[in-house]
Amino acid sequence: DTAVSQTPKYLVTQMGNDKSIKCEQNLGHDTMYWYKQDSKKFLKIMFSYNNKELIINETVPNRFSPKSPDKAHLNLHINSLELGDSAVYFCASSLGQGSYNEQFFGPGTRLTVL
Amino acid sequence: AQSVTQLGSHVSVSEGALVLLRCNYSSSVPPYLFWYVQYPNQGLQLLLKYTSAATLVKGINGFEAEFKKSETSFHLTKPSAHMSDAAEYFCAVSDGSSNTGKLIFGQGTTLQVKP
Repeated sequence: DTAVSQTPKYLVTQMGNDKSIKCEQNLGHDTMYWYKQDSKKFLKIMFSYNNKELIINETVPNRFSPKSPDKAHLNLHINSLELGDSAVYFCASSLGQGSYNEQFFGPGTRLTVL
Repeated sequence: AQSVTQLGSHVSVSEGALVLLRCNYSSSVPPYLFWYVQYPNQGLQLLLKYTSAATLVKGINGFEAEFKKSETSFHLTKPSAHMSDAAEYFCAVSDGSSNTGKLIFGQGTTLQVKP
């Protein structure tokens, strides 16, 4: 009965590889987000989608490409991985894109690039 | 542009003591403010939020926060710390005018609770 789930939980890969992280929510929410948490625990939004439409696209390298096949899923594909991409990536969802809405977070995916 | 500053990256209290975690925000429009907690190796969980109703907001696990516009603050308190409160706490602000749901997080405060 997990609300927001992410796979995989851990991802270890070599520089230059391409990898994907998947996110699914079963809350019936319309809006989903990707956040990056760095080694100092600083959290920064990367993208958000509302009902499969891109709403927020922060200054993120174009090696990162989100894809939302339906409003319950938001995947993150990363091309040509770099050392600096090592971080914990969190998916989140909210009822709508209104700024007052609580965001529900997944457990995170720890990406390590060697 | 909006921003959040959490004063004190580490706060240590004894079990049973008052918990006070400080958060100051900057916003050109009336803000929505949130406190989230992150336990080790987990995602974030909402503790409480301020959305322009009552200035004193009560949340889960005995936490509360008071919105003070004149001080641009939204400090988090709990009268009596419990060992299970040890975690990372994040204050966040959301732009009430853009309606995108974009959250700007503070740097986080690690709460240590000593027996």
